[in-house]
Order: sequence, then structure tokens, then C-alpha cells
Amino acid sequence: DAGVIQSPRHEVTEMGQEVTLRCKPISGHDYLFWYRQTMMRGLELLIYFNNNVPIDDSGMPEDRFSAKMPNASFSTLKIQPSEPRDSAVYFCASTSGLSQETQYFGPGTRLLVL
Amino acid sequence: GDSVTQMEGPVTLSEEAFLTINCTYTATGYPSLFWYVQYPGEGLQLLLKATKADDKGSNKGFEATYRKETTSFHLEKGSVQVSDSAVYFCALGGTSYGKLTFGQGTILTVHP
Repeated sequence: DAGVIQSPRHEVTEMGQEVTLRCKPISGHDYLFWYRQTMMRGLELLIYFNNNVPIDDSGMPEDRFSAKMPNASFSTLKIQPSEPRDSAVYFCASTSGLSQETQYFGPGTRLLVL
Repeated sequence: GDSVTQMEGPVTLSEEAFLTINCTYTATGYPSLFWYVQYPGEGLQLLLKATKADDKGSNKGFEATYRKETTSFHLEKGSVQVSDSAVYFCALGGTSYGKLTFGQGTILTVHP
């Protein structure tokens, strides 16, 4: 199994630009999570999906952030417009009922907004 | 609501020293408990877990016992190695299936 795949691994952009992060969960997993990690705030859950439906988006910081899951094998997290304070590592994770809640994390996307 | 509290770091040890990282939790019901490890530049990966009281999770020489009476899940290793240098996260699950509540993470540095 290839594990959770994220792209790009690194992204450098300028303030005001749109940023799109991508995630492919492990095949067969029906839960997908987006996290953000910073030194100041640690690991934060932004949003999660079950069977492609958003279940809890209370962690999304503001309207500039949006996430979609058009099918079971793909999800995006979009920031528009981006700001320097969005600089962080963004992780995607997936799990299934058979995993007994064990989440499998991708390698992350390191985002730097200048 | 659910919460996890880890001992504050960073923790610095010499190789072959004994490691304990404390973790306590607050939750309703009977959560599952997890330790995740994050090596530099990588995502989190499961280190060990326990799904019910008195269970002991173990992996790579690390151990943790689910103590319901003290609401704790402390991580221990008898002899750490330089390669154990990483960030360790305690987490609990169970209130909303699939969703985990993470602690703030503890940075461990092991010197030769």
C-alpha cells in the first residue's frame, strides 16, 4: 500500500495567492482528516470527512479556508487568499472502521506564504 | 469535552537512559488511547495503542498501560537510542468515531 499521498510536499507562495493542497487517502478508508501543525499552536484538526461528507469543520480558521472531497480517493484544501500566518505544515490522514480509529498520516505539505 | 495533557518538553536524555513521558486524559465513556511519533520532516505514525482499561500497548521497546483509575497512559522505554529523537503525541479516540484528540506533543532529544 502506498499510504496517504499528499502533494505538493513544499509550496512557497506570495500573500494573496490561492493555494491548493491535495490528498489521496488509503484505498478503502472512509474517513479523511486535514490537520495544520505550527510551533505556536501545535497540531490542529481543521476538518474531517466521512464517506466524502464533511462531518466537522469547526477547526477551519476562517472563510479563506475551504475543503472538498469529490470522491473517495481525493480531497483538496484550498486557501484563498493566502496570508503569511497560514504558513505551516498541513497533514492529511485517513482511517476506517477496521482500523480501530488508528489514523494514517501523509508526509505533509510544508507551506510558506511570503 | 475530551482533552489530553502531556508533560511539557523538551526532554533531553543520554543514550541508554530511561524514558517516561506522562499523559493524562479527560473523556466520557471508554476511549481508546494512542501514542504517535513524528520523526523530523515526516508525518505522524502510530507507535502503540490500547483499547481498554489495563491493556498494555508496546512497540519498538516502548510501552504504555491504560490506567482508568488514574486516567493516564504514560509512555516508557527502558533504554533510549539516538534514533528515538522525535516528537511524541498522546491521543484519545472514541467520542466521535474516527476523530482523535491529540496532546500538545513532547520533543525528545537523545544524545550519544
